[in-house]
Amino acid sequence: TQLLEQSPQFLSIQEGENLTVYCNSSSVFSSLQWYRQEPGEGPVLLVTVVTGGEVKKLKRLTFQFGDARKDSSLHITAAQPGDTGLYLCAGARQGAQKLVFGQGTRLTINP
Amino acid sequence: DAGVIQSPRHEVTEMGQEVTLRCKPISGHDYLFWYRQTMMRGLELLIYFNNNVPIDDSGMPEDRFSAKMPNASFSTLKIQPSEPRDSAVYFCASRLRWGGEAFFGQGTRLTVV
Repeated sequence: TQLLEQSPQFLSIQEGENLTVYCNSSSVFSSLQWYRQEPGEGPVLLVTVVTGGEVKKLKRLTFQFGDARKDSSLHITAAQPGDTGLYLCAGARQGAQKLVFGQGTRLTINP
Repeated sequence: DAGVIQSPRHEVTEMGQEVTLRCKPISGHDYLFWYRQTMMRGLELLIYFNNNVPIDDSGMPEDRFSAKMPNASFSTLKIQPSEPRDSAVYFCASRLRWGGEAFFGQGTRLTVV
């Protein structure tokens, strides 16, 4: 059983469309991170959210941490082919030190 | 700093052979993590170290797997004997402090035939 459930697992859309990826858990997290991974490389950090209800923006990407700190979402506006990749959420539960990852959302943006 | 360095990048070995994966974390980072990534199971945490001490190895699949960190600049993950189901990409990551960014190496793609 995955501690962090991501949905959808696969998403293929056209350039210019908007999309949202979700990361859900029944556990409370002290912080949650989003990473992006390209083929043949390790994941690279995009953002860290630590406060319930927090919203962070990174150009066309908007990240939100749920009020109860159990879930998070990543919204991409006007997706571009360069956004293609594997998006992973990761977090450590309160009182624990393990950094665990969701299974990822494999995003493909078609020109 | 050159980032987290893993070697080898690719390893092909026969079932039953010993495999050793190597990792050099970023200098000054207190935490080191070993992960395994497969299509089926995603990125799984195998073990992590804090200040060279193994803290949690509950993710290590079985006794065939072992990890060491003899000093702050080097860690190994050993599989003995290797099996085809061990085929995966193994990542090492290091972190400066708790809650900070985890920096990943480029991974070792292991194929056991």
